[in-house]
Amino acid sequence: KAGVTQTPRYLIKTRGQQVTLSCSPISGHRSVSWYQQTPGQGLQFLFEYFSETQRNKGNFPGRFSGRQFSNSRSEMNVSTLELGDSALYLCASSFGGPDTEAFFGQGTRLTVV
Amino acid sequence: AQKITQTQPGMFVQEKEAVTLDCTYDTSDPSYGLFWYKQPSSGEMIFLIYQGSYDQQNATEGRYSLNFQKARKSANLVISASQLGDSAMYFCAMKNTGFQKLVFGTGTRLLVSP
Repeated sequence: KAGVTQTPRYLIKTRGQQVTLSCSPISGHRSVSWYQQTPGQGLQFLFEYFSETQRNKGNFPGRFSGRQFSNSRSEMNVSTLELGDSALYLCASSFGGPDTEAFFGQGTRLTVV
Repeated sequence: AQKITQTQPGMFVQEKEAVTLDCTYDTSDPSYGLFWYKQPSSGEMIFLIYQGSYDQQNATEGRYSLNFQKARKSANLVISASQLGDSAMYFCAMKNTGFQKLVFGTGTRLLVSP
């Protein structure tokens, strides 16, 4: 059974650019959540999508957006990149029901220069 | 608001010994789930164990067990017979039942020595 796949694994972008990260969940999982991990702030929840609808959203500016496709794959977009957006971005998938475990991908390490 | 507290920034243990990683939580919701994840240097978050707030027995998964003390709001992870490959960051997390947002602690770095 394939796990959660995130692409790309590494990215280097310049300030002001935009970036799109991709996440393919475990087959059968309909919920995809995104997290940002930085040394200073730790792991923070960005948003969650379930059946193509955003169900929950964290406290991030509108530059951070996402979407989910009918096959449950999800993309996260960050526009007008800032140096502080440099982080490990982790995607988690689950069945989306109560008491369900979330399984994470290997993450995308974004560096903004 | 939910909060997870991990007070041990780093822990050292010798191979084959048991180690306990501490986690306390705070929530006003009666229904919640508690999780432990392992993060090696590669970055991937590996699910280890889950405990529901209404579960009567402590969860166990192989060498991992969760010491759940609801009245004290603690959910400590016990790793028995430590192995060198257990060296990693360990995160305690929680979520309210019905929501997928995980709230994480700051993590504990475990180093297993030969």
